[in-house]
Amino acid sequence: TQLLEQSPQFLSIQEGENLTVYCNSSSVFSSLQWYRQEPGEGPVLLVTVVTGGEVKKLKRLTFQFGDARKDSSLHITAAQPGDTGLYLCAGGRRGGSEKLVFGKGTKLTVNP
Amino acid sequence: GAVVSQHPSRVICKSGTSVKIECRSLDFQATTMFWYRQFPKQSLMLMATSNEGSKATYEQGVEKDKFLINHASLTLSTLTVTSAHPEDSSFYICSAAAQGTQYFGPGTRLLVL
Repeated sequence: TQLLEQSPQFLSIQEGENLTVYCNSSSVFSSLQWYRQEPGEGPVLLVTVVTGGEVKKLKRLTFQFGDARKDSSLHITAAQPGDTGLYLCAGGRRGGSEKLVFGKGTKLTVNP
Repeated sequence: GAVVSQHPSRVICKSGTSVKIECRSLDFQATTMFWYRQFPKQSLMLMATSNEGSKATYEQGVEKDKFLINHASLTLSTLTVTSAHPEDSSFYICSAAAQGTQYFGPGTRLLVL
């Protein structure tokens, strides 16, 4: 069974602070996706990374895929209350059933 | 693009009744759709993989006779919770796969009284 260890599980910070969420596995993934979910809604795709060492930026969010495609990180600069939500990482395998392996999620709260 | 809808968004039913939830990909075709269940403050738990025109593949521990899945077209999959009981109350989310990426519906909150 492929597992994705996501940390931290909970994070409460003040507006303006920086933070990093980690996703680690002993298995190699062909892609790594990051989602953000708000209460009572479905997850919304933020980014997909597919190349080892790849870095993608989405405004104040920076996503990195590890060189060996076993880990990924999400860094948020100058967090804002609107960033509050559940962040989920999910790993995919090429040539499979398109099934994703999900991390347990990081519940981020940004206090004004 | 890549919009997925779910209906209903919320449903309350009596114990013993059956509830059907629809999942539609609105602007793309999806040969594969997925059904998840999510408990409060937890991550998604995959229930089954729904393939158009064939039987669904259920994850270990998920009763296929209780959670009936039908994927009759490339844009529609349905999940029917049969003889629902209070322990089936949960947030059910579907996703549709396109080019290796899953796009999620907004979820259905089921409450069984």
